[in-house]
Amino acid sequence: DVKVTQSSRYLVKRTGEKVFLECVQDMDHENMFWYRQDPGLGLRLIYFSYDVKMKEKGDIPEGYSVSREKKERFSLILESASTNQTSMYLCASHLSRGLVNSPLHFGNGTRLTVT
Amino acid sequence: QKEVEQNSGPLSVPEGAIASLNCTYSDRGSQSFFWYRQYSGKSPELIMFIYSNGDKEDGRFTAQLNKASQYVSLLIRDSQPSDSATYLCAVAVTGGGNKLTFGTGTQLKVEL
Repeated sequence: DVKVTQSSRYLVKRTGEKVFLECVQDMDHENMFWYRQDPGLGLRLIYFSYDVKMKEKGDIPEGYSVSREKKERFSLILESASTNQTSMYLCASHLSRGLVNSPLHFGNGTRLTVT
Repeated sequence: QKEVEQNSGPLSVPEGAIASLNCTYSDRGSQSFFWYRQYSGKSPELIMFIYSNGDKEDGRFTAQLNKASQYVSLLIRDSQPSDSATYLCAVAVTGGGNKLTFGTGTQLKVEL
């Protein structure tokens, strides 16, 4: 079974702090994604990566950055946390064969609260 | 206009009934369509996908796709209380590589 592990289930940070959300997958997947999920807005793509050291902006990248130094690890960085970044953050991964052949697998999520 | 639209619900059905969940999408070049189930406080899990017009059945679940109408649906037969969850429709858009665009989800409640 594919395992996508997010380092924290709950985080509480203060406004202005630099925040790191970590995600590790154990199935040698090329593609990794960061989504945030908010009531009424659904899942929105922040950033994604198709390979090591490669990153592409999703639909809502403002205020975020990412790092992928190793294939199995994809980190989401909030450079200066703000209250509007309070949300559930979901990491996901899959093989590059295409979504039909390799479904997207999600981690358990990190609920971040910025006060 | 949102790229993927779903009625937020809640959709309430009695146990044993058929639940019908609907989704429309705006990009005519969309090629593959996915249904995810998400229990409260949990992450989404894939139920099934479809990429050809028509019906695709998997156990109690049937996905239906009509590309001309830009419409995809999920039918759940013999609904059980354990089916109570939010159902997310997701679309792989043309030129989007391996990205999915999600709808906001429909909350389903199966009542005893």
